[in-house]
Amino acid sequence: QKEVEQNSGPLSVPEGAIASLNCTYSDRGSQSFFWYRQYSGKSPELIMSIYSNGDKEDGRFTAQLNKASQYVSLLIRDSQPSDSATYLCAVNVGFGNEKLTFGTGTRLTIIP
Amino acid sequence: GAVVSQHPSWVICKSGTSVKIECRSLDFQATTMFWYRQFPKQSLMLMATSNEGSKATYEQGVEKDKFLINHASLTLSTLTVTSAHPEDSSFYICSATGLAGGPTYEQYFGPGTRLTVT
Repeated sequence: QKEVEQNSGPLSVPEGAIASLNCTYSDRGSQSFFWYRQYSGKSPELIMSIYSNGDKEDGRFTAQLNKASQYVSLLIRDSQPSDSATYLCAVNVGFGNEKLTFGTGTRLTIIP
Repeated sequence: GAVVSQHPSWVICKSGTSVKIECRSLDFQATTMFWYRQFPKQSLMLMATSNEGSKATYEQGVEKDKFLINHASLTLSTLTVTSAHPEDSSFYICSATGLAGGPTYEQYFGPGTRLTVT
């Protein structure tokens, strides 16, 4: 069983719509959760972090965490073509400087 | 804030030579740095974790004598690929974590180094 699972996609969403990206994880003791965006040929860029159950909003991005269901999601509102990228879910078992466990990523395409 | 740089951004070297890649945290103290490798259309693969002043911890299957990591200060880590071969051609990315202006250890990535071994 993979430790962090994501649907590889591709996920196609019309411009202006909401893109919904999902991630599940297996380690119930996980404490820190991150979403990274990676454009083709570039390195990952941190876009959201979330540590407690519920929603966290930052601009057009909302991260949702449900520890009981071991589920974390990322919503992108008013999707723009520039949001087209691979989105990586990453999980840390603690709050410290332990290594992250990454999902394989979901490729998102925003259709103009 | 939380900027990580890498140098060089790309390098071409001949088979059998060694290449050094630098990773710097520019505006925070990186207590831990990580080195990843990514092949085209594949996921990130963690190679090793290094803490300042300590020996690096390598992931299973990564040759520590081939990929030398030095984390000499809180702002600099280096990865040296020794006796490089064409199969070492890849995108090498470092990340750094530390108290970057907050209480938690978010991990920030450098821009990556594209290595081509001919």
